[in-house]
Amino acid sequence: QVVLVESGGGVVQPGRSLTLSCAASGFTLSRNAMHWVRQAPGKGLEWVALISSDGSIKHYADSVKGRFVISRDTSDNTLFLQMSALRTEDTALYFCARGRQWLLDYWGQGALVTVSS
Amino acid sequence: EIVLTQSPGTLSLSPGERATLSCRASQSVSNNYFAWYQQKPGQAPRLLIYDASTRATGIADRFGGSGSGTDFTLTISRLEPEDFAVYFCLQYANSPLTFGGGTKVEI
Repeated sequence: QVVLVESGGGVVQPGRSLTLSCAASGFTLSRNAMHWVRQAPGKGLEWVALISSDGSIKHYADSVKGRFVISRDTSDNTLFLQMSALRTEDTALYFCARGRQWLLDYWGQGALVTVSS
Repeated sequence: EIVLTQSPGTLSLSPGERATLSCRASQSVSNNYFAWYQQKPGQAPRLLIYDASTRATGIADRFGGSGSGTDFTLTISRLEPEDFAVYFCLQYANSPLTFGGGTKVEI
């Protein structure tokens, strides 16, 4: 079955960097688009980034463009989100999700990122 | 971007009752690229409905989706104890993807 497990969350100071990982099983990353979505404490969900099934297309929310990079390692079936120049407003639970094109069909349980001095 | 507004914010019902959840879009959602999810504390969100009215694999037939254009509805015909959760909507017709704020269905 499809399972997604995020890791790499933690507490980081403003301006620093952090990389999240999402280990996928039950399917092949190279056959599916993948997304990152986040949920700030007490807030709704915000789509963050997409990588296409062939890895050639990447889209980002305006709020993270130029600071976050989505990538993947197909040999390891793992998705990444490299986050730099972190701000306090980036504090959130970060989910990875499998995409059926733009539809998110399976999600992980999330990794918590706290940006605080 | 398309703004999704869910109502009500909280729905207080009893097992066996019918639940009707609404989501209104600020502009028409093309191709009915609209989905509903269930989220329980500490768990991954689960896809219930996609393309506005198609049940996802393994989803009980008490869950139904309807609507088009700007108004969409999720109906749970007879609430089971495990259905008490937060439900949120998603439009995937336009970038950026956007979500509704969620409806909590509580006992």
